[in-house]
Amino acid sequence: QVQLQESGPGLVKPSQTLSLTCTVSGASIRNGAYYWSWIRQYPGKGLEWMGYVYYTGSTYYNPSLKSRLIMSVDLSKNQFSLKVNSVTAADTAVYFCARGDIVGTEYSWFDPWGQGTLVTVSS
Amino acid sequence: EVVLTQSPATLSFSPGERATLSCRASQSVSNYLAWYQQKRGHGPRLLIYDASNRATGIPARFSGSGSGTDFTLTISSLEPEDFAVYYCQQRSNWPYTFGQGTKLEIK
Repeated sequence: QVQLQESGPGLVKPSQTLSLTCTVSGASIRNGAYYWSWIRQYPGKGLEWMGYVYYTGSTYYNPSLKSRLIMSVDLSKNQFSLKVNSVTAADTAVYFCARGDIVGTEYSWFDPWGQGTLVTVSS
Repeated sequence: EVVLTQSPATLSFSPGERATLSCRASQSVSNYLAWYQQKRGHGPRLLIYDASNRATGIPARFSGSGSGTDFTLTISSLEPEDFAVYYCQQRSNWPYTFGQGTKLEIK
């Protein structure tokens, strides 16, 4: 059974960097049949796909966030990570990591997801 | 980007009733639409993918239909555990986007 678990600080000060890690169990990040995404959910419940990282380290980010994001993988720990630079209160959200299938050349649906971690941006 | 509109924001039903949820896309997404269920304190769970295919382990009371811009999730007979928030998501165009969700509450 594949499980994903987010971890990281729950409180970040404005202008600083938000850093989160997703630990994957029950599956290997090295498996080229999957891609690994970060998705956040605002307090008003809207969901925003932030970007993905592939096991090779290649990434694709949501254009609305591209200038502030860095995603990476740590194959030795079976983890992938998210950094968001220059955060503001608008980055306050629950952050989820999720696995996506790659079917042929298509980047498919998100399944499963982690349970999410709340990050609050406040001084 | 593709905007997905789910309406209404809240629906009220009694257990055993049939529920129909709607998702409309701002442009055609073909059949590249999924439905997720989210319960409090958990990440969303994939229910339906490619508009009409049930994900592994999803009960047969859940079904999806539609293509292009108009999609429907139907729950044929509501069980107590089905009262949750439901989101649609498209993967026709990057960035992948989600609807705002419909909350299914007990009447």
